[in-house]
Amino acid sequence: DIQMTQSPSSLSASVGDRVTITCQASQDIGIFLNWYQQKPGKSPQLLISDASNLEAGVPSRFSGTASGTDFTFTIRSLQPEDIATYYCQQYDSLPRTFGPGTKVNIK
Amino acid sequence: EIQLLESGGDLVQPGGSLRLSCAASGFAFKSYAMTWVRQAPGKGLEWVSGISGSGSRIHYADSVKGRFTISRDNSKNTVYLQMDSLGVEDTGVYYCGKDMGMIVVKDYSHFWGQGTRVTVSS
Repeated sequence: DIQMTQSPSSLSASVGDRVTITCQASQDIGIFLNWYQQKPGKSPQLLISDASNLEAGVPSRFSGTASGTDFTFTIRSLQPEDIATYYCQQYDSLPRTFGPGTKVNIK
Repeated sequence: EIQLLESGGDLVQPGGSLRLSCAASGFAFKSYAMTWVRQAPGKGLEWVSGISGSGSRIHYADSVKGRFTISRDNSKNTVYLQMDSLGVEDTGVYYCGKDMGMIVVKDYSHFWGQGTRVTVSS
């Protein structure tokens, strides 16, 4: 199985701050990587597919990039409604595997 | 509007069985693969199983292979997860998801239901 590592596991930032989360795959997955947002008690919501493709309706402050097996997720200007846990997920091969998640809080 | 409504979650004893259902609406159900993922209390997400639109291709995580069975009834727009030989490690919220395509492989879920809770405990 492909292992996904994600860092940091949690972070606190101020409203308006730039937030960056990284995800690394244990092997080449191309751009077959998603980023999901999960708010407490809710189901996951897809924000970015194919490493950098912003889903329809998702605010443009969210973005994703890829470099080899390293992937970066960025919130350009953190908003209070962005409080959530963020997961990366590879879908290059089965089983689809998730990173352990990054919990984002407001400082 | 896409809707996925999971049901069937319950409290069950170790070694018991449970069948989860996911009723879909708002899209051409038979044209899309469906997926189950789960989340243990306070933990991350784990992909469990996927089934192609026709039902002919089925995939499982190693952790549930031989114990769980995914199926679908395209006439009822419903996907199922039969869970047997349940252990405490199967406790969690189970979400069904609609994939972007038909065959599970190199695909992903872009929409999830609200989940159904499974508790395995004596």
